[in-house]
Amino acid sequence: EVQLVESGGGLVQPGASLKLSCVASGFTFSDYWMSWVRQTPGKTMEWIGDIKYDGSYTNYAPSLKNRFTISRDNAKSTLYLQMSNVRSEDTATYYCTRGMDAWGQGASVTVSS
Amino acid sequence: DIQMTQSPASLSASLGETVTIECRASEDIYNGLAWYQQKPGKSPQLLIYNANSLHTGVPSRFSGSGSGTQYSLKINSLQSEDVASYFCQQYYDYWTFGGGTKLELK
Repeated sequence: EVQLVESGGGLVQPGASLKLSCVASGFTFSDYWMSWVRQTPGKTMEWIGDIKYDGSYTNYAPSLKNRFTISRDNAKSTLYLQMSNVRSEDTATYYCTRGMDAWGQGASVTVSS
Repeated sequence: DIQMTQSPASLSASLGETVTIECRASEDIYNGLAWYQQKPGKSPQLLIYNANSLHTGVPSRFSGSGSGTQYSLKINSLQSEDVASYFCQQYYDYWTFGGGTKLELK
């Protein structure tokens, strides 16, 4: 069974940094591009970016590329999202996905002082 | 960026009814269109990809159609378990999502 389990969310102050993790199981992680998507409290869905199966290439939403970094460790079957200089508008549930057909349960991030 | 306009934002329908949700892209997305179902507190679940291909395990009462910039999701014979939010997503040029449709029972 394909499983994606995010962690690392929580309450964070504006301007701080936060790193989310997503541990994958049930498939060969190193064979797949992986993505991050977030959903705001108002239910708006926004693609953050993706990373090639070997970690050699990343794509980002233009509005986020200067603050967010996606990486992966294939030996640990883990995907990461490094968020820096977070803002209140980054408050959302963050999902890692394997393509379109597998999504994690989400990690909640709240940016507030 | 490709913008996705989804309508309606909310929909109320009776059991057994047929419902249609529409999505319009700001440019031709060449059938690079997916539909998702999301229930409260859960992650999105893929229903349709390539505009009209049913994902594995999805009931056949769900169907997708369209081309170019106009796409739709149809649910035949609405069941209680179909109460959820539905999102379209284009993947022709990176990913962008529609604003969602909240489907409730009348």
